[in-house]
Parts: sequence; structure tokens; C-alpha cells
Amino acid sequence: GQQVQQSPASLVLQEGENAELQCNFSTSLNSMQWFYQRPGGSLVSLFYNPSGTKHSGRLTSTTVIKERRSSLHISSSQTTDSGTYLCALITGNTGKLIFGLGTTLQVQP
Amino acid sequence: DPKIIQKPKYLVAVTGSEKILICEQYLGHNAMYWYRQSAKKPLEFMFSYSYQKLMDNQTASSRFQPQSSKKNHLDLQITALKPDDSATYFCASSQEGVSDYTFGSGTRLLVI
Repeated sequence: GQQVQQSPASLVLQEGENAELQCNFSTSLNSMQWFYQRPGGSLVSLFYNPSGTKHSGRLTSTTVIKERRSSLHISSSQTTDSGTYLCALITGNTGKLIFGLGTTLQVQP
Repeated sequence: DPKIIQKPKYLVAVTGSEKILICEQYLGHNAMYWYRQSAKKPLEFMFSYSYQKLMDNQTASSRFQPQSSKKNHLDLQITALKPDDSATYFCASSQEGVSDYTFGSGTRLLVI
């Protein structure tokens, strides 16, 4: 089965609403990273978050290593937030990232 | 300015041919990687290199060969192309020990 499970698979919001994206890991992790994939395909790193809570503008990431999960909170969503949010498990020491299938977010005006 | 340059952005190839995907990073990182993204599948790890040496290879086929001519280059040679090789190939880099990864914008390959 998938080592990285993301939920929900898709989400539609009205502009201004908040979103909570979840990432669960079936194996122990060294760390994890959240990415935003633009509709054109390029990946942008949002958070490298081994543990605890990190903030960046309207985004907040919380990782709980013991519970093997991480969440990404988007507050006051904007249409430009639309795209796919990917989480990745960082395990071992060879640089291998294991990705989830992503959450596709659509923010409507 | 893009920190990781991948060329070309789009590539159409004929079945059986050979292509090289280019990746250069200007972040000063010592580790570089290749990932593949196919339709309906998660991004999939292919190779990792550290200081121009192969660290990990998760690609079953020897048709995929990374080439590192300089420490900030990691090209991907694909031989005997098949339609199943159609995917977007992403190059990434990091500073070993830091684990914060940066990705290039990808090369979208279509094999017909």
C-alpha cells in the first residue's frame, strides 16, 4: 500500500475559506516536506518540516512525528492558491523522497 | 532566475530512439536527484547522486542512465524509448544533511 496518504484527494473552496490538508505516513520518517505543484507542473517547496509547527504567510504546517502525520492549513484562501499540494516523506540517507498522490485544491472567486 | 535549469521543457520522441534530459543546478548543492511523474501516479524517485557518485538507484531498467559531467550537472540518458516512458521528469537537488529539496520545472516527455 501507499506509504504516504493524503486527504482529501480534492477540495473546492470559495475564496476566503480556510483549508486543512492532511498527510499520513505508514512508516517512520526522518522528516517531511510540503510542496505546491502549479497547474503547469513545476514544484515549489512550501515547508521542510521535521517536527512542530511552521508558519509562512497564510500557510501553517504542523508535523507530529510520533503520530506519523503532518497537516497544512491554508487560511483565507485565494484563487491563486489553486493547484496540487503534495507531501513527501524523507526517509533514509540517500535523498529518497516518497510522495503522496496530492490534494487538488480549487478556489473559486 | 531559476535555480535549477532543466532542458528541454518539452520533448517528443519516437519509440526506440534515445534522448538526454539536461539538469543544471546553481544552488551549490552537493546532492542531485531524478524523479518521474506519470499520469495518476505519485512522483517516483529514480536516482540520487552525492558528490557526483551514485547513492541510490530505484529504476528497474538499465535504459535509464544518469550522467554527471560536473558537480552541478546531472543529466538523464534514456535509450530505446518506449511509450510507457512518457512522463514528466523532474530534477532536484539538496545539500546533503539538510534535506530541504529544490525541484526544477521538469521536462515533459512524450514517446510516440
